[in-house]
Amino acid sequence: QVQLQESGPGLVKPSETLSLTCTVSGASISSYYWSWIRQPPGKGLEWIGYIYYSGSSNYNSSLKSRVTISIDTSKNQFSLKLSSVTAADTAVYHCARYNFDTRSLDYWGQGTLVTVSS
Amino acid sequence: QTVVTQEPSLTVSPGGTVTLTCASSTGAVSSGYYPNWVQQKPGQAPRALIYSTSNKHSWTPPRFSGSLLGGKAALTLSGVQPEDEADYYCLLYYGGAVVFGGGTKLTVL
Repeated sequence: QVQLQESGPGLVKPSETLSLTCTVSGASISSYYWSWIRQPPGKGLEWIGYIYYSGSSNYNSSLKSRVTISIDTSKNQFSLKLSSVTAADTAVYHCARYNFDTRSLDYWGQGTLVTVSS
Repeated sequence: QTVVTQEPSLTVSPGGTVTLTCASSTGAVSSGYYPNWVQQKPGQAPRALIYSTSNKHSWTPPRFSGSLLGGKAALTLSGVQPEDEADYYCLLYYGGAVVFGGGTKLTVL
């Protein structure tokens, strides 16, 4: 059973950097791509980006200048950093497995709410 | 900027059939966009239903089916159950980038 669990601060100040970690169990992080998706309160889903265990990554062009996704194969974790945050970055952040063979975001974490506020 | 468009809301009666669609601002949706459908119920994580147009995950109920219809991706629910009331999102792949549709709120009434 593949499980993903997001963790990190629930409150971030404007202009600071949001940092989240996703811990993967039930699957080797070295075998798939891994993705971050966010959902502002009451709104739809927005893809942030994904990373392969090799470090190869791809980001949403609208966020690319502020986003870094990294991976730690020794801990079976991958992380998200989003810099210079504003209130518009307040959202539930989900991590998910991107299965390249099926072109599918097949397993998702429950998500964690991050609020940007002073 | 690429926009993926879905019906904002639809209503269906229990036992009925409903089709949700997913259109791309770049033109007709084809299998090369690998359409996916995701279900999200309030307070829950999204759950993948359909990938690569019409393929089901092992957990996808048989009443859900995916297709291409009139230049759009489509998700059809046949024999709708009350528990199918949820938000449904399509997503399309554009050369490695992923774009979600705005979602369809499905009401079973």
